[in-house]
Amino acid sequence: AQSVTQLDSHVSVSEGTPVLLRCNYSSSYSPSLFWYVQHPNKGLQLLLKYTSAATLVKGINGFEAEFKKSETSFHLTKPSAHMSDAAEYFCVVSDGLFSGGYNKLIFGAGTRLAVHP
Amino acid sequence: GAVVSQHPSRVICKSGTSVKIECRSLDFQATTMFWYRQFPKQSLMLMATSNEGSKATYEQGVEKDKFLINHASLTLSTLTVTSAHPEDSSFYICSAQSRENYGYTFGSGTRLTVV
Repeated sequence: AQSVTQLDSHVSVSEGTPVLLRCNYSSSYSPSLFWYVQHPNKGLQLLLKYTSAATLVKGINGFEAEFKKSETSFHLTKPSAHMSDAAEYFCVVSDGLFSGGYNKLIFGAGTRLAVHP
Repeated sequence: GAVVSQHPSRVICKSGTSVKIECRSLDFQATTMFWYRQFPKQSLMLMATSNEGSKATYEQGVEKDKFLINHASLTLSTLTVTSAHPEDSSFYICSAQSRENYGYTFGSGTRLTVV
């Protein structure tokens, strides 16, 4: 079965400093992995996704993530945090079963990122 | 890019009444629609999955008679919360999977408050 663990429920950084949001996954298949961002009372926006191409994935707003199979990790990073990055971030794995013509998404518990001036 | 329009964004209803939430894919065909609920400060929990023209598949523990899902066309899916109670108060989000590239596009969510 697929699962995803976000190692930090809260992360706090100063504006201009690097961001690291950690995610480990468990998958019986070659996984598809995603990072989504959610601002308060809003839907989810896709930051980036990994689907077995390049292991270093670049996303929007300066975010990137590296797929490390040996560590079963897919950590999200950004070199320099901006105040507008403050939000909830979800690491997501696709179940890979493609039954019924679709894959389910399995969400991590989320990491709340706070950015201080 | 792909857009899913979800309405209403907020709704307050009285206990015992029903509420309908609508999700439309504006510029693509959604073969599959996923419905999630999210409690405060928690992650998204999948409630059900529907394919156009067929019955929805509900996750374990989700009452199908309470949460009615209709996916009558490739661009419209609705979730009706029947006989709502205060414990149904939550944030509901839909996600559409595209026929073209199997990407997932999320709606902006509906904040339901049952009083």
